[in-house]
Amino acid sequence: DGGITQSPKYLFRKEGQNVTLSCEQNLNHDAMYWYRQDPGQGLRLIYYSQIVNDFQKGDIAEGYSVSREKKESFPLTVTSAQKNPTAFYLCASSKGLPGLGQISEQFFGPGTRLTVL
Amino acid sequence: AQSVAQPEDQVNVAEGNPLTVKCTYSVSGNPYLFWYVQYPNRGLQFLLKYITGDNLVKGSYGFEAEFNKSQTSFHLKKPSALVSDSALYFCAVRDQAAGNKLTFGGGTRVLVKP
Repeated sequence: DGGITQSPKYLFRKEGQNVTLSCEQNLNHDAMYWYRQDPGQGLRLIYYSQIVNDFQKGDIAEGYSVSREKKESFPLTVTSAQKNPTAFYLCASSKGLPGLGQISEQFFGPGTRLTVL
Repeated sequence: AQSVAQPEDQVNVAEGNPLTVKCTYSVSGNPYLFWYVQYPNRGLQFLLKYITGDNLVKGSYGFEAEFNKSQTSFHLKKPSALVSDSALYFCAVRDQAAGNKLTFGGGTRVLVKP
């Protein structure tokens, strides 16, 4: 988990409420990612960003939004449009940009467990 | 589109015995493959990766993986399992169309019994 922090560790959301999950990295990585993990399932990509001020939708982006104003930060907002947000959310980062041929592993944060009340 | 399959939801092994966690993949180009481990309520930890070169890749904590192109497999192995190896293991393949985006398998839970 070193180098990537996520906060809070546990988060509770009421119906109709937006919440923002924090992800910060001090690894000087260019790329950052948000995944959702449900019990019995693998990780599914929500959004990713390969450079500051740019991001792309992953496989399950509906009901989520992100921003990438700084290299070290990639916050995720779970909006009220996300109908089933209860899950474990993982942030990751990696170095390298497309076209440079760098194939580097992703480093993961400790996760945030979101529960809808 | 690439995909990764982990055919076993759970693997049980006695401590000291060899451990194998299976992974098969499907990609259109060169396969870049990864193994991660997850302990309860924690993030994923990187174990090893295959990019090119030797088919046998050595990684962290005594784990290794064997790349087999003809069988499109990348099985994770450890010669002698420890109780502390009990965890959830994920295989992943890199999406060449989108930087370092990874597609993950569904995970295999390993239980090592004393």
